[in-house]
Amino acid sequence: EVQLVESGGGSIQPGGSLILSCAASGFSVINSYMSWVRRAPGKGLEWLSIVYSGGGGPTRYRDSVKARFTVSRDLATNTMYLELNGLRVEDTAVYYCARVGRGELDLWGQGTLVTVS
Amino acid sequence: EVVMTQSPATLSVSPGERVTLSCRASQSVRSNLAWYQQKPGQAPRLLIHGASTRATGAPARFSGSGSGTEFTLTISSLQSEDLAVYSCQQYDNWPYTFGQGTKLEI
Repeated sequence: EVQLVESGGGSIQPGGSLILSCAASGFSVINSYMSWVRRAPGKGLEWLSIVYSGGGGPTRYRDSVKARFTVSRDLATNTMYLELNGLRVEDTAVYYCARVGRGELDLWGQGTLVTVS
Repeated sequence: EVVMTQSPATLSVSPGERVTLSCRASQSVRSNLAWYQQKPGQAPRLLIHGASTRATGAPARFSGSGSGTEFTLTISSLQSEDLAVYSCQQYDNWPYTFGQGTKLEI
């Protein structure tokens, strides 16, 4: 079955760090464009990053997270990660990983909640 | 950053009704636009990409139209399971951006 499963969310104090995981099955995260998206309470979806296919695929971030968040991928476990540093109250959200088609997100994980307070 | 504006924010609907949702981009995104459906507690689901191409598994009652800055998602005959939040998203310019969503409710 083709799916994405996120984990690693939780409650953390401002300034803290967290690593979110996104385990893929049925396809390769290395050979796909992959992204992280979040939805803060009461707000719209926000696209955070996109990593292009290939082991050394470049990553783009939106400016508000560029210096604080880092995406990586592990071929052996077929998992993508999002390292969150310097967390702020406004980073509180459900974080989703997703596979990118031509720019649309055609496969989503169930999401993991990060609460910063 | 391209700002996506959806209207209305909330729409009261009835089963069997034809429903039209609007999405406007602050600059042209050509046909690089997608629509998603999200139900409470669930992940978003892709409905439409390329402004008018139905995603695999999306019901035929969903259709998309438009290009440039004006886009529309139409549900031809609303079913009860369609009550959800619908979001548009552009992928013409980085950072890719979403609208705030339209919530369909009874």
